[in-house]
Amino acid sequence: QVQLQESGPGLVKPSETLSLTCTVSGSSISSAYYWGWVRQPPGKGLEWMGNIYHTGSTHYNPSLKSRVTISLDKSKNQFSLELSSVTAADTAVYYCANVFDSSGYFQYWGQGILVIVSS
Amino acid sequence: DIQLTQSPSFLSASLGDRVTITCRSSHSIGTFLNWYQHKPGKAPKLLIYTASSLQSGVPSRFSGSGYGTDFTLTISSLQPEDFATYSCQQSYSTLYSFGQGTRLEIK
Repeated sequence: QVQLQESGPGLVKPSETLSLTCTVSGSSISSAYYWGWVRQPPGKGLEWMGNIYHTGSTHYNPSLKSRVTISLDKSKNQFSLELSSVTAADTAVYYCANVFDSSGYFQYWGQGILVIVSS
Repeated sequence: DIQLTQSPSFLSASLGDRVTITCRSSHSIGTFLNWYQHKPGKAPKLLIYTASSLQSGVPSRFSGSGYGTDFTLTISSLQPEDFATYSCQQSYSTLYSFGQGTRLEIK
C-alpha cells in the first residue's frame, strides 16, 4: 500500500514562499507515472497545482505557473512543492498524490496539510 | 485549458434515493474523466476512473458513464456514508483540472 505524508509549516507570511514536502512510503518514487499536488481553499473546490514525472519533467497549472515549482528527491523518496509570493488566497489544504499510470487518475493521496497565509 | 462544469453544485437527497451528478467538459476528452469523493478532514477518495471503471473496494452502487464532453456519476441507493462532496477530474490534457464540486447533503 502506497502512503503519502505532507509536511511543512502551517503558517506562512504574505509575500514569502510556501514549501511543502511529501514523503512516500510503500513505493519507489521512480515507479509512479506522476506525483502531484492538489489544493483546496476553504469553501472551494479542488485545484490541480502540478505534476512531476519520475524523470523530473513537470507540468503546472497555468494560473500558478510563474509561482510554482515541484521537484523530486529520489534519495529520500520525497517530492516537494514551492509556491512563491503567497497571498491570503493561497490559504488552503494542500494534498500530495500519485498518478498511477497514463490514465491520469490520482490513486493515493496524503491526508492533507492546512497552510494559512497570514502575517 | 480544459474547463469542467459540474451540475448541480448542491444536491439534497434522502437515504435510498438514486442520484446523478453531471460533469461537462469544455473540450472532448474521450474517457479521461475520473470521479472522487471527499469529506471534511479526509483525503479525496478515487471512486471511478476512465469514466466508467469502478475503483477496487468502492461499492457497486457507484457507477460512471459518458464519453467526449458529457459524463455522469450515479449513486443507485444513497447510504449514510455517501453524503459528501463529489468532484470530477480530467486527465486528457497534461494540464489536469477539476470540476468545482457537488455537495450532497441529507434531505
